[in-house]
Amino acid sequence: GAGVSQSPSNKVTEKGKDVELRCDPISGHTALYWYRQSLGQGLEFLIYFQGNSAPDKSGLPSDRFSAERTGGSVSTLTIQRTQQEDSAVYLCASSLQAGDIGEAFFGQGTRLTVV
Amino acid sequence: SQQGEEDPQALSIQEGENATMNCSYKTSINNLQWYRQNSGRGLVHLILIRSNEREKHSGRLRVTLDTSKKSSSLLITASRAADTASYFCATDSGTASKLTFGTGTRLQVTL
Repeated sequence: GAGVSQSPSNKVTEKGKDVELRCDPISGHTALYWYRQSLGQGLEFLIYFQGNSAPDKSGLPSDRFSAERTGGSVSTLTIQRTQQEDSAVYLCASSLQAGDIGEAFFGQGTRLTVV
Repeated sequence: SQQGEEDPQALSIQEGENATMNCSYKTSINNLQWYRQNSGRGLVHLILIRSNEREKHSGRLRVTLDTSKKSSSLLITASRAADTASYFCATDSGTASKLTFGTGTRLQVTL
C-alpha cells in the first residue's frame, strides 16, 4: 500500500491476555517507530528500529512489552498479560532513513482496550 | 520521557485569527518537526526545520527555531475551522536517533 498500515484498528481484550499489534511500514523505509498515546496525552516513545542495527528499546514500559521487525519490514508489538493501564492508542510510524531523519509517516493506530 | 513541551496546552481562537504554539526541548537537536493530529489517530507531518535554520514557511505556516533558547514556535495565519486539531513538535538528535515528541497543543478554531 501507499501508506503505513496498522492492524487491527481496534482491539478489546481481557485483562491477562496477550495481544499482538501489527505494523506494515512504507516499502523501502528503514526506520520504524512505535509510540503509545493515552487519551488526551502526548506520544510516548516505545521502541525504534533502524535498518539492521539493534533496536532502541529504551521506551518499553515493562518486560511484558516486546517488539520485533522481520526482514526489515513488518513489525509486531506484543503485550503479554495485558493490564488495564495498557489501554491506549498504539501508533506506528516509518521514515526513509534515520541518518538524517525526515518526515515520519504514521499509521492510523490500534486502539487497545483492556477490560 | 518526552523531549519537548508545548504551550499552551490548549488554545481557542476564532476563524481568521492567527494561532501561535510554542515548543521547548531539553537536549541538542538535529531537526525539529511539527505534526498535526486529528481525532487522536495518525499524525500528519507539517514542516521540518533544521538546527542551522531560523525560520521556515509553508503556506499559512511559519516556524521559527531558536537553538540558544531550545525553543520553536509554530504560527498558523488566518486560521480556519479545519485547522482544529492537536499539534505536536518532534525532535531528533541526528544519526540513528529516535524521534521524540512533545506534549502537544490542542487548537480549537471556532466560526
